[in-house]
Amino acid sequence: DTGVSQDPRHKITKRGQNVTFRCDPISEHNRLYWYRQTLGQGPEFLTYFQNEAQLEKSRLLSDRFSAERPKGSFSTLEIQRTEQGDSAMYLCASSSDRANYGYTFGSGTRLTVV
Amino acid sequence: GESVGLHLPTLSVQEGDNSIINCAYSNSASDYFIWYKQESGKGPQFIIDIRSNMDKRQGQRVTVLLNKTVKHLSLQIAATQPGDSAVYFCAEKGGLNDYKLSFGAGTTVTVRA
Repeated sequence: DTGVSQDPRHKITKRGQNVTFRCDPISEHNRLYWYRQTLGQGPEFLTYFQNEAQLEKSRLLSDRFSAERPKGSFSTLEIQRTEQGDSAMYLCASSSDRANYGYTFGSGTRLTVV
Repeated sequence: GESVGLHLPTLSVQEGDNSIINCAYSNSASDYFIWYKQESGKGPQFIIDIRSNMDKRQGQRVTVLLNKTVKHLSLQIAATQPGDSAVYFCAEKGGLNDYKLSFGAGTTVTVRA
């Protein structure tokens, strides 16, 4: 297992378009998290899953954002009708209840809305 | 909501010296803390962690200190190297059934040759 993988690494889209990002967590991790990070700031929590169940969503996650983890493995984050304010790095992380949680982040997807 | 913050946004350190990066947290229920290093264009990289029932933990060239009385966390890097130049974040896990991490704004460490 090579860690948490995110795809694509970069995405440029026009305002109003929909985008979808994918995250593949560490295989034995049961929890998966999405964060958003803007320049000069720390990551901000968006939502997390335990297995396939979405257990918590931040108020930052407007109704244009939706996340899924259909089989408790990979996850997708979709942003509909993108706005310039959505431009950010979208980070995925995974963790396990074993071995001191083991929170591990992926390299992120850099979204630019033009 | 409560969040983790850092005392200084930037730190400049001479190569070979020790670095100390500080972090204040406000959630007394937080039970687990992590220090991350983030280089430009990359995701946060785990450095070291500590549970709330400990006050010190050591790794390779790094030490984390936790003072629950004043809700303070620090990261010490021994013999700082140019490769240590990055942004450092502390993160806290909010408590027994709260699994998300909360981050502060980070400290940018620059190592001078």
